Amino acid sequence: DIQMTQSPSTLSASVGDRVTITCRASQSISTWLAWYQQKPGKAPKLLIYKASNLESGVPSRFSGSGSGTEFTLSISSLQPDDFATYYCQQYDSYWTFGQGTKVEIK
Amino acid sequence: QVELVQSGAEVKKPGASVKVSCKASGYTFTTYGIIWVRQAPGQGLEWMGWIGSYNDNTNYAQKLQGRVTLTTDTSTTTAYMELRSLRFDDTAVYYCARTTPGRSYSDYWGQGTLVTVSS
Repeated sequence: DIQMTQSPSTLSASVGDRVTITCRASQSISTWLAWYQQKPGKAPKLLIYKASNLESGVPSRFSGSGSGTEFTLSISSLQPDDFATYYCQQYDSYWTFGQGTKVEIK
Repeated sequence: QVELVQSGAEVKKPGASVKVSCKASGYTFTTYGIIWVRQAPGQGLEWMGWIGSYNDNTNYAQKLQGRVTLTTDTSTTTAYMELRSLRFDDTAVYYCARTTPGRSYSDYWGQGTLVTVSS
């Protein structure tokens, strides 16, 4: 099974900050990686697919990069609506999620 | 517009079974697959299984193999997840999500169904 490890688990930041979340795969997954945002009591929302492709309707301050085993999700200028938990997901071999990164207000 | 609407909350006793439905609309049901994901209280997302609505092929997480069955009814564009021999640690919100053809991320999600296992 492919394991996904996110870091950090929690991130404290202020509005306007640039934020980066890292996701590492236990083996190469090419670019078969998605990022999701989840708010309390809500279903996850797709942000990025195939490592760097922005889902339609998602603000351009979100971006993804990486290939192989190391990936990043960046938010260029954190907005109040961005405080949430973020998950990476590999879909190279079945599906596995990272453990999540909670972005909280500093 | 694409919508996945799940059935309502359930309370079950240990050892019982639960069947959650996921009614799809706004797209050609048989073109996409459906994955099921669960989230225990305060925890992360856990993949449970996948079903191809077009061919009924299934993949299950090894941890749940033998206790979970995924099915679809193309006549009603509804997917189902049945979990048997429920345990206390099966208490979670269960989500269905549409998977794109080919390499499969999930672009639309149901609203979630809370299943509580309690004696």
